[in-house]
Amino acid sequence: ILNVEQSPQSLHVQEGDSTNFTCSFPSSNFYALHWYRWETAKSPEALFVMTLNGDEKKKGRISATLNTKEGYSYLYIKGSQPEDSATYLCAFVRPKTGFQKLVFGTGTRLLVSP
Amino acid sequence: DGGITQSPKYLFRKEGQNVTLSCEQNLNHDAMYWYRQDPGQGLRLIYYSQIVNDFQKGDIAEGYSVSREKKESFPLTVTSAQKNPTAFYLCASSLGHHSNQPQHFGDGTRLSIL
Repeated sequence: ILNVEQSPQSLHVQEGDSTNFTCSFPSSNFYALHWYRWETAKSPEALFVMTLNGDEKKKGRISATLNTKEGYSYLYIKGSQPEDSATYLCAFVRPKTGFQKLVFGTGTRLLVSP
Repeated sequence: DGGITQSPKYLFRKEGQNVTLSCEQNLNHDAMYWYRQDPGQGLRLIYYSQIVNDFQKGDIAEGYSVSREKKESFPLTVTSAQKNPTAFYLCASSLGHHSNQPQHFGDGTRLSIL
């Protein structure tokens, strides 16, 4: 059974704090890892698709790193703002498919207080 | 604006009734997906379609059916065989079916049993 684990489950920070979350996935037969942001009452939005070991991607104050050999990815938010409040999902492409059959984690729920 | 439209936003089903959830996209994407979300669980794949007139079962296809007669449309029918249909349903699409392409999501349909 494939499992994608995300930690922490939830996080409450103050505006201006920097924070990071972890996504752990099986390290064998890696294809890609996706990160999505899901704000309440909206649709999930793609942040990053990461495919290579050592990948680092950045979008504004949000960045992500990838370690395929040990099976983890970190998502960092620098200087959190209230608009960053959302659930952050990671999803792992199932081995031996190469196609878009994603296994999702349960997400990290971030709340940023002003 | 291009995007994915799911309707209705809320849907109620009586015992023994089939209901159909609509998903339409104007992104010209080849691949489309249906997911189910239950409390405390990650998104789970119900069905996916890589191209028109083709679709495959996901992890939890029992009690569901789909069709893909047009590129832009991928309706999901929840049949009376689905014994626990109460959940939040998300439709998604991607440009192609390869693992490095992000998925675009609709706003979801919440299905409840009367």
